[in-house]
Amino acid sequence: QKEVEQNSGPLSVPEGAIASLNCTYSDRGSQSFFWYRQYSGKSPELIMSIYSNGDKEDGRFTAQLNKASQYVSLLIRDSQPSDSATYLCAAFTGANSKLTFGKGITLSVRP
Amino acid sequence: NAGVTQTPKFRILKIGQSMTLQCTQDMNHNYMYWYRQDPGMGLKLIYYSVGAGITDKGEVPNGYNVSRSTTEDFPLRLELAAPSQTSVYFCASRGLAVPSEQFFGPGTRLTVL
Repeated sequence: QKEVEQNSGPLSVPEGAIASLNCTYSDRGSQSFFWYRQYSGKSPELIMSIYSNGDKEDGRFTAQLNKASQYVSLLIRDSQPSDSATYLCAAFTGANSKLTFGKGITLSVRP
Repeated sequence: NAGVTQTPKFRILKIGQSMTLQCTQDMNHNYMYWYRQDPGMGLKLIYYSVGAGITDKGEVPNGYNVSRSTTEDFPLRLELAAPSQTSVYFCASRGLAVPSEQFFGPGTRLTVL
């Protein structure tokens, strides 16, 4: 059973802090990784994707990938109350053309 | 582009009733997916399709059926609705390129009483 695990939440950080969201995956064949943000009652929206080892930055978001450790993370700098949402980690394996999602972690940013 | 659209947005069914959840995408994507999301449980794949005429089961296919007669449409059929099928259903699509972004529809909230 190929799995994506996210550390249990919820996670609460004060406004302006760095939020660190972590994810591990079991399938070494996974090629690419995605972070989706989901506001309550809404559908998931893609915020970051990462395909190779290292860091990828986009504005206040940084995704980190370590394929040897099978670990993906998302850092949100200068967290804002509008970042309060559930964050879903997903791994893609080309062989079966499917994304495997973690259960998600709920982030709350306190004003 | 409308992206991925789903109808209806909400529906209440009685046990044993049947219904079809509609999903349409206008991005000419080959891959389409149906997920269900229960509170705190992430997204579970029900069925997926790699192109018109080709469908396959996901993790939780029991109680559901799909068809893919065109590239654009991927309806999900519930036969003999059960309370366990109360959930939020999301349709998604993705292009052929690897990797590529998977786009989600707005969801259908289904309650079976």
